[in-house]
Amino acid sequence: EVQLLESGGGLVQPGGSVRLSCAASGFTFSTYPMSWVRQAPGKGLEWVSHITGSGSNTYYADSVKGRFTISRDNSKNTLYLQMISLRADDTAVYYCAKAAKAGFWSEADYWGLGTLVIVSS
Amino acid sequence: DIQMTQSPSSLSASVGDRVTITCRASQSISRYLNWYQQKPGKAPKLLINGASSLQSGVPSRFSGSGSGTDFTLTISSLQPEDSASYYCQQSHSMPLTFGGGTKVEIK
Repeated sequence: EVQLLESGGGLVQPGGSVRLSCAASGFTFSTYPMSWVRQAPGKGLEWVSHITGSGSNTYYADSVKGRFTISRDNSKNTLYLQMISLRADDTAVYYCAKAAKAGFWSEADYWGLGTLVIVSS
Repeated sequence: DIQMTQSPSSLSASVGDRVTITCRASQSISRYLNWYQQKPGKAPKLLINGASSLQSGVPSRFSGSGSGTDFTLTISSLQPEDSASYYCQQSHSMPLTFGGGTKVEIK
């Protein structure tokens, strides 16, 4: 059974940093691209970042480029999102999601439960 | 970037009604269009990929159609458990943009 479990969220001050983790199980982690998608309170889904299975290719939304870094440790079956220079509008539930197909990107067939990041003083 | 525009943003319908949600891409995305369902406090769930391929376990009352720039998600007979928000997403090219969502309520 595929499971994705995010952690690392919490309250962080504006300008601060946090690292989110997503522990994956139930599939061959290194085969599949992974994404981070966020949802601000009461708002829609926003794709944030994506990484290929090997980790060699990464992609970012313009809203986070230069501030967020996606990475993965295939030996630990874990996906990461390092977030710096956080702003109030980064407040959201952050989901990790597994691509349905190997390759560069595709639809996401499994999602974690999400972790809430609140940026506030 | 490819912009995805969904309509309506919300709708209210009765059990048994046929419901249609539309999604328009700002440029052609072939059939690289996916639909997700999200219930309050829950993670999104993939319903349809490739514009019309129903995911395993998804009720057959859900269907998707379209290609190029115009797509639709149809619920043929609305059920109480279909009360949720629905999002389209293009997977043609980066960034993988979502539509703004459609909230479906039961009258």
